[in-house]
Amino acid sequence: IAGITQAPTSQILAAGRRMTLRCTQDMRHNAMYWYRQDLGLGLRLIHYSNTAGTTGKGEVPDGYSVSRANTDDFPLTLASAVPSQTSVYFCASSELGAEDTQYFGPGTRLTVL
Amino acid sequence: GQNIDQPTEMTATEGAIVQINCTYQTSGFNGLFWYQQHAGEAPTFLSYNVLDGLEEKGRFSSFLSRSKGYSYLLLKELQMKDSASYLCAVRDGDYKLSFGAGTTVTVRA
Repeated sequence: IAGITQAPTSQILAAGRRMTLRCTQDMRHNAMYWYRQDLGLGLRLIHYSNTAGTTGKGEVPDGYSVSRANTDDFPLTLASAVPSQTSVYFCASSELGAEDTQYFGPGTRLTVL
Repeated sequence: GQNIDQPTEMTATEGAIVQINCTYQTSGFNGLFWYQQHAGEAPTFLSYNVLDGLEEKGRFSSFLSRSKGYSYLLLKELQMKDSASYLCAVRDGDYKLSFGAGTTVTVRA
């Protein structure tokens, strides 16, 4: 693995179903983030984690949960999917230094019917 | 919270120069980033400004004025491969990024 990976690449899901989006990074970055990207709205932060064992809420956390059991993995769970959660989901990671940027995974395209 | 504004679309000719403006109102400021995103792909880092002034990286330059809450990204010698969305993002004191909606740049031959 090089960088940051996400799985699945795309998914069609029935409303009410539970779904976990996976994110793994091999850069040993402390911080990880989940965003959703919708047309006309840009990237919006769902949840973040500044270090293993801690998580925080972003701008649009409702309906989503995360965990950070170790440095490399940061799964995002939709407990009961709704159509408004149809979006492209990006995971990102970074160090927490002054000039450190966020590196993004390839994204997961999720459709909730 | 953060309020970040940038134009929705811009069109320019190959070889020309385009300037993408970004204005922001923030509750905390710890740097401004520009990302490039091609259709169907992930955003990739272009530039970072934390102090006032111009940062130059080859054909791309980024400017910041913290007192005016203003930045721009300058793309010179445009190439067809520069057709993409350009995202302005402001970082707060907790290292979280807030993004503008993005500017779609179309380069025409």
